[in-house]
Amino acid sequence: QKEVEQNSGPLSVPEGAIASLNCTYSDRGSQSFFWYRQYSGKSPELIMFIYSNGDKEDGRFTAQLNKASQYVSLLIRDSQPSDSATYLCAVKTSYDKVIFGPGTSLSVIP
Amino acid sequence: DGGITQSPKYLFRKEGQNVTLSCEQNLNHDAMYWYRQDPGQGLRLIYYSQIVNDFQKGDIAEGYSVSREKKESFPLTVTSAQKNPTAFYLCASTSLSEGAHEQYFGPGTRLTVT
Repeated sequence: QKEVEQNSGPLSVPEGAIASLNCTYSDRGSQSFFWYRQYSGKSPELIMFIYSNGDKEDGRFTAQLNKASQYVSLLIRDSQPSDSATYLCAVKTSYDKVIFGPGTSLSVIP
Repeated sequence: DGGITQSPKYLFRKEGQNVTLSCEQNLNHDAMYWYRQDPGQGLRLIYYSQIVNDFQKGDIAEGYSVSREKKESFPLTVTSAQKNPTAFYLCASTSLSEGAHEQYFGPGTRLTVT
């Protein structure tokens, strides 16, 4: 089992819809969880992080964490074509190592 | 402006040559990291350093070397021993004293070895 897994893409959503990106992790003691956006040919850019169970909202983005299910998700409301990118989930494990998932490619169709 | 700089943006080398990639940060971050990203793949950790004059191997350290003589600088040398060096190299840094220890990335160096 891989340490951090993400839903396989590519994911396509129409403009204005909600995009849902999912991530599961294997280390039950993981502490912090991060979502990065990476445009093609560019470096990852931090969108938000979460470390408590529940939801954390920032503008059109909502991160949801369920430690019991070892699951973290990112919802993008009112998706725009500019949201088209690869989204990387990263997890800080109980042994203080940050593990990145393979990424999910999102395409927002105008 | 605070941030992380990497140079050069693009680098071309012949097989068998060592090459050094630069990474500098003025964020006063304690820890610095080097990752490698291959097309369509996630990030793989090469080396990291949490304090000056100390560094640890990541998952794919073979064929690479680093130094951390200053807090601001963490150069990566890709040696001729690295079998498949062509990749996108990313440097990141984080503060260990506050926050969730989120990592911030430089713009990357795309290395092509022929």
